[in-house]
Amino acid sequence: AQKITQTQPGMFVQEKEAVTLDCTYDTSDPSYGLFWYKQPSSGEMIFLIYQGSYDQQNATEGRYSLNFQKARKSANLVISASQLGDSAMYFCAMRDEYGNKLVFGAGTILRVKS
Amino acid sequence: EPEVTQTPSHQVTQMGQEVILRCVPISNHLYFYWYRQILGQKVEFLVSFYNNEISEKSEIFDDQFSVERPDGSNFTLKIRSTKLEDSAMYFCASRELGQVRYEQYFGPGTRLTVT
Repeated sequence: AQKITQTQPGMFVQEKEAVTLDCTYDTSDPSYGLFWYKQPSSGEMIFLIYQGSYDQQNATEGRYSLNFQKARKSANLVISASQLGDSAMYFCAMRDEYGNKLVFGAGTILRVKS
Repeated sequence: EPEVTQTPSHQVTQMGQEVILRCVPISNHLYFYWYRQILGQKVEFLVSFYNNEISEKSEIFDDQFSVERPDGSNFTLKIRSTKLEDSAMYFCASRELGQVRYEQYFGPGTRLTVT
């Protein structure tokens, strides 16, 4: 069975600073993918970034980057130059080998302070 | 940009009533999903659907739940006799065939309140 663990229930960061949100995972699938989603207070799920298990390079999307350490089974999200609009819940999720479902972590609430 | 839509955005129903949540996936997508998020908790997988049948379902998806693709565009989730604990945000998602990332595109959600 797949499992995602996000150990930080809440994080604070000063505006314009970088922040790392932790995610560890467990799976027996040889092929899998990891996603990060942002959920603002309005409730929608916004895709941020994806990392495939066989990708050689860490994924980057603008201010978002994923620190993927396969041996440690971790996929931490790094947000650079935080903005007030980054305040939201952040979920790490993993797809199984066949893409039949996503398994989500418990989420981390990020608050950006001005 | 194509997007997944869901209606209604908010549904209030009484315990024991049947509800149908509606989703219009992205038009060329062939895989469809429902997820549930109880307030303040994580998102939980309910069911996946492909080729007019359920591919996988979670233990949450019991006999009270059913899914249907009644026509070429809609994908519905029916809860036969709602319970208080069914109150949650319900997300529909879809993805296309053959994509390497298997990325699922989420709709905005339907907030279901059972009173």
